[in-house]
Amino acid sequence: NAGVTQTPKFQVLKTGQSMTLQCAQDMNHNSMYWYRQDPGMGLRLIYYSASEGTTDKGEVPNGYNVSRLNKREFSLRLESAAPSQTSVYFCASRAWGRDYEQYFGPGTRLTVT
Amino acid sequence: GDSVTQMEGPVTLSEEAFLTINCTYTATGYPSLFWYVQYPGEGLQLLLKATKADDKGSNKGFEATYRKETTSFHLEKGSVQVSDSAVYFCALSDPNAGKSTFGDGTTLTVKP
Repeated sequence: NAGVTQTPKFQVLKTGQSMTLQCAQDMNHNSMYWYRQDPGMGLRLIYYSASEGTTDKGEVPNGYNVSRLNKREFSLRLESAAPSQTSVYFCASRAWGRDYEQYFGPGTRLTVT
Repeated sequence: GDSVTQMEGPVTLSEEAFLTINCTYTATGYPSLFWYVQYPGEGLQLLLKATKADDKGSNKGFEATYRKETTSFHLEKGSVQVSDSAVYFCALSDPNAGKSTFGDGTTLTVKP
């Protein structure tokens, strides 16, 4: 049982390049999330998918797109990377219901030069 | 909308000192409340949770009580260790949507 896995662990991009961050969970969770974490800013929700087939914007969606490929996988795409997108990105998943906690992946550290 | 306010850090304590990290929340519904911990270079992991008023969550010597009347969920530990050095996040789970709201995190450093 691997929990939540993310690839890659590290990535360096040049301004304007595109890339996709991959996330998968093996806990049969309905809901999945993408966050970014910047120093002193806590966690900010980019997009989430409450259930397979649905996606919704979080508080900082600009510059990102997501795909809920199936129940297990939720990817985050940067179409044209900008230095402001330098951050650590975390994927998380949760069973449906208010009482359940989120399970986080190990993060992807992205630098855009 | 929902919000979570945490005590600002960083917090520095000596080993065996008493720890309190304050957390208050604003929510339109009746949320569940959580404390997560993040060790350097890792993702967040659940420390404890409480799902209804007056519930006490506890784990690894940490405790927090869901206080609906004061909309608070303060984290406490009677005697901290160096290994407790980490960032602590308070969070609530929206009962009407599939997402959570996190506080900004409080960095705790425990010195021997």
